[in-house]
Amino acid sequence: DSGVTQTPKHLITATGQRVTLRCSPRSGDLSVYWYQQSLDQGLQFLIQYYNGEERAKGNILERFSAQQFPDLHSELNLSSLELGDSALYFCASSVDGTGTEAFFGQGTRLTVV
Amino acid sequence: GDSVTQMEGPVTLSEEAFLTINCTYTATGYPSLFWYVQYPGEGLQLLLKATKADDKGSNKGFEATYRKETTSFHLEKGSVQVSDSAVYFCAHNSGAGSYQLTFGKGTKLSVIP
Repeated sequence: DSGVTQTPKHLITATGQRVTLRCSPRSGDLSVYWYQQSLDQGLQFLIQYYNGEERAKGNILERFSAQQFPDLHSELNLSSLELGDSALYFCASSVDGTGTEAFFGQGTRLTVV
Repeated sequence: GDSVTQMEGPVTLSEEAFLTINCTYTATGYPSLFWYVQYPGEGLQLLLKATKADDKGSNKGFEATYRKETTSFHLEKGSVQVSDSAVYFCAHNSGAGSYQLTFGKGTKLSVIP
């Protein structure tokens, strides 16, 4: 158990809908990272937050957004969903923003039908 | 841009065989290097890491050495077990101000008795 909790574990939704994925980092970790894992693109970095502030942005679509709350949990919002958004979404956390050792949650598997 | 190239799988080995999974990277600055493992149905777990040139990371019989001159971080294990069957990902952080991980596409290892 990495100590990073993601909910829900599975999500099935229709095209055009909006969903919210939630991540609770390990106790004491200030930084949260979101990654998307798909068969064709592999593991892609989406976005990083550090202590409530956006730190870095990767290949995140404009339809996607995220935030980190004062209690350090984070949410990833995906809207106007398309079939191609079906993927495994991972959250990771690290004690600081350096990424030296990031711990991953078990992921949320999103299926868009 | 930053990238990680690792050998394509799948790799099938008999128990007690020697394992090598090649990994090379391109990065700006001085990245840290990582191997993550993903067991079926689970999230990614950090297997080992190295933070500077010539460092050797090791864990659970696996090891990898940070070779700056060849920009490589090959994973080795002298005697694999069935329980090592998983997908292995080589990764580096950017080491240049933001620290998201760049992953290779993963190598699926199957160990047969």
